[in-house]
Amino acid sequence: QTVVTQEPSLTVSPGGTVTLTCASSTGAVTSGYYPNWFQQKPGQPPRALIYSTTNKHSWTPARFSGSLLGGKAALTLSGVQPEDEADYYCLLYYGGAWVFGGGTKLTVL
Amino acid sequence: QLQLQESGPGLVKPSETLSLTCTVSGGSISSSSYYWGWIRQPPGKGLEWIGNIYFSGSTYYNPSLKSRVTISIDTSKNQFSLKVSSVTAADTAVYYCAVTMVTALSYWGQGTLVTVSS
Repeated sequence: QTVVTQEPSLTVSPGGTVTLTCASSTGAVTSGYYPNWFQQKPGQPPRALIYSTTNKHSWTPARFSGSLLGGKAALTLSGVQPEDEADYYCLLYYGGAWVFGGGTKLTVL
Repeated sequence: QLQLQESGPGLVKPSETLSLTCTVSGGSISSSSYYWGWIRQPPGKGLEWIGNIYFSGSTYYNPSLKSRVTISIDTSKNQFSLKVSSVTAADTAVYYCAVTMVTALSYWGQGTLVTVSS
């Protein structure tokens, strides 16, 4: 069974920069996995941030960016705001099926 | 902008079948660019992709759920549905419907909590 792994938790200071990663048990993540990233705040549905590795939705703040880093998909937040405190999930494509990562709880402190 | 809304019973008995419907507005469910899908989230836990359906009826399922899950589409009503058979307490979750536009899972419904309990 395919497993997608994210950091369980990260802490960042306001105004700082943080990178979240997303690894696949099958090997290096490439653009062919079409990495998607989502933000979820308590009591709300997830909100899409990034698709196909680097592409932003029209509503995605400029401080969010996606990339491939060291064989993993990555989400970087630059100039972190207090409202960025949330759970973040990645999603990878495996030839018809999709698999979510376990999520990263980001604390802004 | 597409909007999705889940509906269905909030309580299902163990061993019975969970049935949910997602109503789509702001666009056609027959669009060739979209895959319509279901995702769930047990209380306090992470997201789990359940499966997708294309307007033609082609389906893709999570291998771990495939034997119990059926996703169907009704283009005349602009709706798609989820059935999960032989449910147990482990199927208790918030169920979301969502749309994938080619490779972008873009829009989500608000979600509906389904509790499996006698």
